[in-house]
Amino acid sequence: EVQLVESGGGLVQPGRSLRLSCAASGFSFDDYGMHWVRQAPGKGLEWVSGISWNSGDITYADSVKGRFTISRDNAKNSLYLQMNSLRPEDTALYYCAKDGRRLSFGDYFDSWGQGTLVTVSS
Amino acid sequence: QSALTQPASVSGSPGQSITISCTGTITDVGGYNLVSWYQSHPGKAPKLVIYDVTKRPSGISNRFSGSKSVNTASLTISGLQAEDEADYFCCSYAGYSTLVFGGGTKLTVL
Repeated sequence: EVQLVESGGGLVQPGRSLRLSCAASGFSFDDYGMHWVRQAPGKGLEWVSGISWNSGDITYADSVKGRFTISRDNAKNSLYLQMNSLRPEDTALYYCAKDGRRLSFGDYFDSWGQGTLVTVSS
Repeated sequence: QSALTQPASVSGSPGQSITISCTGTITDVGGYNLVSWYQSHPGKAPKLVIYDVTKRPSGISNRFSGSKSVNTASLTISGLQAEDEADYFCCSYAGYSTLVFGGGTKLTVL
């Protein structure tokens, strides 16, 4: 069974940094692209960033480009999101999501974690 | 990367069918057959119900179906059941390895 467990969320002041982690199990992690998707309180889903199975393809939403960095460690079956220069509008539940296609960047998510809450406020 | 357009809410009675639309442009929905749909119940992780416009993942009821015409994708749920009440989000590949979601639609089963 696929399991994705996010951690690292919390309350942080504007302008500060936070690093999210996602521990994966139940599948061949190094065969699949991974993504971060967020949901602000009372709002819809927003794709944040994605990374291919071999880290060769990395992309970001315009709203976080230049501030967030996605990475992965296939030896540790882990996905990360380094978030710098945080803004109040980054406040959201951050989900880790698995690509539905093997050895591809992917265009849909077949498994999701439960999310970790990030609150940016002074 | 503009969000895809979905109606804010739709409703239907048990047993009826409803359709949720998802409108984009030629750079996303219209340019690729790579639209997916997710069901989201409060407090739970989103769940994939349709991918590649029309395909159902294993375990998803055949009451869920997807289609696309030009720049608009649609999710149809037939034989509405109480447990279908949830938020539904569409998502499309938007080129250059990026993805875009719709704003979400709240489905109410009357």
